[in-house]
Order: sequence, then structure tokens, then C-alpha cells
Amino acid sequence: GENVEQHPSTLSVQEGDSAVIKCTYSDSASNYFPWYKQELGKGPQLIIDIRSNVGEKKDQRIAVTLNKTAKHFSLHITETQPEDSAVYFCAGLTGTYKYIFGTGTRLKVLA
Amino acid sequence: DGGITQSPKYLFRKEGQNVTLSCEQNLNHDAMYWYRQDPGQGLRLIYYSQIVNDFQKGDIAEGYSVSREKKESFPLTVTSAQKNPTAFYLCASSPYLGQDEAFFGQGTRLTVV
Repeated sequence: GENVEQHPSTLSVQEGDSAVIKCTYSDSASNYFPWYKQELGKGPQLIIDIRSNVGEKKDQRIAVTLNKTAKHFSLHITETQPEDSAVYFCAGLTGTYKYIFGTGTRLKVLA
Repeated sequence: DGGITQSPKYLFRKEGQNVTLSCEQNLNHDAMYWYRQDPGQGLRLIYYSQIVNDFQKGDIAEGYSVSREKKESFPLTVTSAQKNPTAFYLCASSPYLGQDEAFFGQGTRLTVV
């Protein structure tokens, strides 16, 4: 069935270091992959997304890479700051027009 | 400001009672969604609506019902048939079904007491 796996479930980094979160998807018809940041008690907010015809996209300190052949995509955050601490979700838009979400990664940036 | 408004932010329900969660959007989006979020399980799709007067079951629809009488509104009713309703509920919308970014509301935390 349609599935998105996300790793790791928790990630702690020192301030200024980089953080990488990885996701794999099962539906080869998936063509859009957003990443959301969720702060405690709030709804998820889109931070970056990528379409299946693009291999990489950057926006200041964050970047996303996509490998369609391997069906995996990754979020990269450089020069991490304490305000980057949150739960991050990857998602895939399937061929049946559903958003399937990963189980989330709790990122802690240690000052 | 355009966006999605969920209310209330916190809701307490006695066992055996139905309760309705509100979701309103002023983004002129056709598609709306309801997700349930439990610790360690990500977001699971309850119901979605492609257009007014149309809605479809998601992956965990049992014990829930929805209506879509207006484009702006997509209320979710948690019925007494839902065995474990305590969770964080998130409403989202997108321009069309399965098109690009889904915008989320701030969520409603439902607790059964």
C-alpha cells in the first residue's frame, strides 16, 4: 500500500551543525513531496517542497533532495539554530491524490 | 489574512457523547481534509472532500462523520462509536484535490473524560 517511512524519529544536534532527515516512499506515482515543521501545540507549516521532475531545491539554510529511482528524499538543515527545534514531517502526494505523511522526526538543537 | 481556522483549540467530551469540530477556510480552496495525529504515528487521514457536497472516507473513517455544505466549511463529528477519540485533530485545505501544498489549521485537541 501507500506508505512513507521517516528516519530518525529523534535527532539531537549541536547549534551550528547540520541535520539530515530521510524519507522513503512506496508509491511510484507520487510526484510532490512537501516537508512540514510542527511546533508544540500548533498545526504543521510547510517549509520546503520538491516535485518529481527536480532533484534538489534550496531555500537559505534548508534544502531537499529527491532520488526518484531509489524512492527517497531528504531534508537538510545547515547552521542549525535553537528555533529549528520542532517536529518535522515529510509527506508524499500519491497517485490517488492523497497526502501520506511520515511518522515525524523530533529535532533538538542544543545551544 | 487568509487561512484555516479550527475551533475550539481544546475540547473535552464525556464518553458516549458526539462532538463536532469546526474547520473554516477563506482561501477559496476546493479540497479539504481531516487528519488525526497521535504520538509517534504521524498524521492519518480521516475524511477528505474534493468539492462542495462531496466527501470520501480516508484511512481511519470509522466512528467519524463529516459534511460539506459550504465551500468554506468542513466540520468533523466524532461519534460515540469512535473507541479511542482522544487525539489532536488537524484540518487542512488545498486548491484542488491532490494539488500542491496543503495548508493546515492550528488543530483541536480532543480529550475524553
